[in-house]
Amino acid sequence: GDSVTQMEGPVTLSEEAFLTINCTYTATGYPSLFWYVQYPGEGLQLLLKATKADDKGSNKGFEATYRKETTSFHLEKGSVQVSDSAVYFCALIKRSGGGADGLTFGKGTHLIIQP
Amino acid sequence: DAGVTQSPTHLIKTRGQQVTLRCSPKSGHDTVSWYQQALGQGPQFIFQYYEEEERQRGNFPDRFSGHQFPNYSSELNVNALLLGDSALYLCASSLQGTHGYTFGSGTRLTVV
Repeated sequence: GDSVTQMEGPVTLSEEAFLTINCTYTATGYPSLFWYVQYPGEGLQLLLKATKADDKGSNKGFEATYRKETTSFHLEKGSVQVSDSAVYFCALIKRSGGGADGLTFGKGTHLIIQP
Repeated sequence: DAGVTQSPTHLIKTRGQQVTLRCSPKSGHDTVSWYQQALGQGPQFIFQYYEEEERQRGNFPDRFSGHQFPNYSSELNVNALLLGDSALYLCASSLQGTHGYTFGSGTRLTVV
């Protein structure tokens, strides 16, 4: 079945450091890929997405490029802030024949940014 | 514009009991999906409802059932609760055919 693998956390960085969170996936066909962020006590918020190979999703300084050849969707940010501390989830979705889809998530990466 | 609303926020139940969780979708959305998020894990897809029917189901037993009402709101029912059902239950709404999911803040269920 489909699966998403993320780097294990927690990831601890200093403010203004460069961030990379690795994500690879296994899926048949051509899934859409997502990064979600979860702040303490809250639900998930969509951070960015990409729907086809070589697409780059970006939002709030975060970027991720859909790499079909390496089945990857790594999340990057050039300069992190304390407010970026959260849990980040990589996810994929595929279209089914009936049009009803469920997201497949990775286990999440806890990011801690120290001032 | 209200997003996805879930109730209750927290719930404590005894093993063997039954529980009902509720979700009101974002205005304009017609599809509701439910996810289970165990502590320290990513959410797992339970099922999705559209036009008051279950359209797709993840790998969850029949103890998990749901319902969607004509106003698009939804309920998740879990029978014969097990300790392992303790988790955060997330509801996500969307417009059918799109992948623009809006998540609620979840219901934290504790089974003792």
